[in-house]
Amino acid sequence: DADVTQTPRNRITKTGKRIMLECSQTKGHDRMYWYRQDPGLGLRLIYYSFDVKDINKGEISDGYSVSRQAQAKFSLSLESAIPNQTALYFCATRGTGDTQYFGPGTRLTVL
Amino acid sequence: LAKTTQPISMDSYEGQEVNITCSHNNIATNDYITWYQQFPSQGPRFIIQGYKTKVTNEVASLFIPADRKSSTLSLPRVSLSDTAVYYCLVGDMGSNAGNMLTFGGGTRLMVKP
Repeated sequence: DADVTQTPRNRITKTGKRIMLECSQTKGHDRMYWYRQDPGLGLRLIYYSFDVKDINKGEISDGYSVSRQAQAKFSLSLESAIPNQTALYFCATRGTGDTQYFGPGTRLTVL
Repeated sequence: LAKTTQPISMDSYEGQEVNITCSHNNIATNDYITWYQQFPSQGPRFIIQGYKTKVTNEVASLFIPADRKSSTLSLPRVSLSDTAVYYCLVGDMGSNAGNMLTFGGGTRLMVKP
């Protein structure tokens, strides 16, 4: 869904490097989320934000940080990447309704 | 948060109706039931949501019994393109608690020719 975009789509990095994944949305939604998905498993929530001034930890926030630069932008950072952070990362938004809209995902490989 | 249990996988054939059942014994009064579909290497996509009884849209139907401890997603006349993972989620969509939606392992549906 072009309304939620993620960059980069694929990234290979080395252990110890700092990595930033970016998410932008044109839906005008206040709520944004970062999820991680490992092969064959469901999505796990890393961080979520209700608005620019509100950031909340999800179930697996250790090793990650986020920044909500504007309503439309929500970035996820790995300060010092490690191999077990290799996964598919999804950004999602939600407005006043009940549906979450997901981006296309970023495939991150940490060597 | 209500925990959900779904079958890990299901097989079907083109043209058949597929029913995927999700158990959520600890569902709370304010919780809604939502189903998402995910294709490989894509983000999940909303299919349908309901609170009780039956909900139908152009894609699927959702059946919820009176006790709401389970729900069944029904896909009529599936095609090969319905091969995907289907997630059942339960949460209070009307409050901030709904932001902590939990995706379980989902049901991997394989539709065969």
